[in-house]
Amino acid sequence: GENVEQHPSTLSVQEGDSAVIKCTYSDSASNYFPWYKQELGKRPQLIIDIRSNVGEKKDQRIAVTLNKTAKHFSLHITETQPEDSAVYFCAAWRDFGNEKLTFGTGTRLTIIP
Amino acid sequence: KAGVTQTPRYLIKTRGQQVTLSCSPISGHRSVSWYQQTPGQGLQFLFEYFSETQRNKGNFPGRFSGRQFSNSRSEMNVSTLELGDSALYLCASSLIHSYEQYFGPGTRLTVT
Repeated sequence: GENVEQHPSTLSVQEGDSAVIKCTYSDSASNYFPWYKQELGKRPQLIIDIRSNVGEKKDQRIAVTLNKTAKHFSLHITETQPEDSAVYFCAAWRDFGNEKLTFGTGTRLTIIP
Repeated sequence: KAGVTQTPRYLIKTRGQQVTLSCSPISGHRSVSWYQQTPGQGLQFLFEYFSETQRNKGNFPGRFSGRQFSNSRSEMNVSTLELGDSALYLCASSLIHSYEQYFGPGTRLTVT
């Protein structure tokens, strides 16, 4: 089955700096890669996603890149703000057989004011 | 639109008991998935229901079961509870043919 690895497990950055979180996946048939943000005591919320036919997607300060050949994708947050502090999860989904989201283990991002 | 709701939000049970959790999806969403979230294992897929049928199942023992009703509401049941079942149980709903899943607030189950 699919295996998703996520690094780093914790990340601290100064407010205003950029943060990058990386994930690798094992199943080359995976075709959808969402990122979720989970604040303490709250539900995971979808913040950005990318499909396998796209290499990069941007939404204001957040961007995701996908390298299908290397089977890895990354979340980039620029101009970080204190409200970006949360746990971020990457995930991978494949169609056509055992469709489900396989999650990475999460990255705890702390923005230092 | 109202979001995904889950009841109860908190639950304390004793080893050996059983528990039923409920999830009401966003109106119009017919797919409901369940996940277990623990500090050690992260978010793990339990199962997914669509049109009252289980479409996919994760690697959990048979003590974990679920069902979906004609109004798309879903329940999951855990029988013979073990200490290791203590976790946050999240459900997520989505439109058919859509990858985007929207999570509920979760039910925090504590087994003593």
